[in-house]
This record gives sequence, C-alpha cells and structure tokens, in this order.
Amino acid sequence: EAGVAQSPRYKIIEKRQSVAFWCNPISGHATLYWYQQILGQGPKLLIQFQNNGVVDDSQLPKDRFSAERLKGVDSTLKIQPAKLEDSAVYLCASSTRTSGYNEQFFGPGTRLTVL
Amino acid sequence: AQSVSQHNHHVILSEAASLELGCNYSYGGTVNLFWYVQYPGQHLQLLLKYFSGDPLVKGIKGFEAEFIKSKFSFNLRKPSVQWSDTAEYFCAVNGANAGNMLTFGGGTRLMVKP
Repeated sequence: EAGVAQSPRYKIIEKRQSVAFWCNPISGHATLYWYQQILGQGPKLLIQFQNNGVVDDSQLPKDRFSAERLKGVDSTLKIQPAKLEDSAVYLCASSTRTSGYNEQFFGPGTRLTVL
Repeated sequence: AQSVSQHNHHVILSEAASLELGCNYSYGGTVNLFWYVQYPGQHLQLLLKYFSGDPLVKGIKGFEAEFIKSKFSFNLRKPSVQWSDTAEYFCAVNGANAGNMLTFGGGTRLMVKP
C-alpha cells in the first residue's frame, strides 16, 4: 500500500514570497490533515479535511495560509506571503473515517526555509 | 483543550541502558494516548497506543508504555536500548470529545551511543 506522498521535499524562498505544498493521501482515506512542525517542537495541526470539507482550521493563520482539497483527494497548502517564522516542516497525514479514533499516517514532510 | 508535556528534550544513553521518557497530558475526560517515533530521515511512525483496558501497552521494537490515570502520565520505556533506537520520540493525546484531533508534545531527541 502506497503511503502519503508530499512534494516538494525541500523549498527555500525569501520572505514575502509565496509557496505551495502538495499532498496525496493514502487511497481511500477520507480525512486529511496538515501539520506544521517548527524545529524543536512537536507537530501542530493547521487544518483537517473530511473529504473536501473543512473540519477544523482553528489554528490556521488565515491571513496568510490557505488550503484546499477540491475533489476530496489531493490537497494543497499555500502560504502567501511567507514570513521568517514560517520556516518549518509541513506534514500531511491521512486517516480513514469510521467511528472512534482512526490512526493517522504521516507523509515525509516538506521542509520550508524562509530567508 | 488538550495538551501534552514531555519533560526530557534530549537524552543520551549508552547501548543496553534502560530508557524511560516522560509524558504528561492535560484533558478533562477520557483520552487515547500515543507514542510516535521519527527515525532520522524517515516519516513519523506509530510506536504504540493506548485506548482502554490494560494500562501497560506494548509496542513495536520492545517498547512499552504505562498509562497512570491518577498522574495523567503515559511514560515510554525500554529495558535495553540499541543504537538503532536513536530517533525523536513524540507523545500525543486524543481527547474522546476531540474527534480525530491529535495534540503532540514537544518531542524527546534520543541518542544512543554504540
């Protein structure tokens, strides 16, 4: 079974530029998550999708971050404009959707450096 | 709101030493608890999980964790570490009323010296 795919793996940009990350979840997984992991910290949930609808985006800085999952499969996370403090690894995860807790499977992440 | 605290940020051990990593959580209700591991250059992987039942849970690679409800703790243990256990370890909590939301601790970076 293929895992969660993310691209690019690395990205270096200057502050005030825009950047986009792509995620392809495990086939059949209805739920998709984007996390931000700043160096030295644990992953922090930014947004959770159920199919193509947003379940939770309470920790997404909506003035500069946006995410979409138009067809309920792939997802894109965008930052516009980027700030120095956005330097982090952006993780995508996916899970099935059944009653109770569903294990999240993580992708390799995209490491963003903002100069 | 749910939160997790990991007290040890960096741990250095020699091979065959015993390991215990601390994890305390805060949540006013029933919880599911997890330990994830991230080996150098690899994805986050689930090491073990506790949902209910026996508070001592066993995971992969000889790891185990004990849920102590009265102390809001879920410490990770391994009797004898190997060089290949060098990794970063994250404790995470899912509150029963929090849907599928995971909250992670800050992580503990373990280095095992051969």
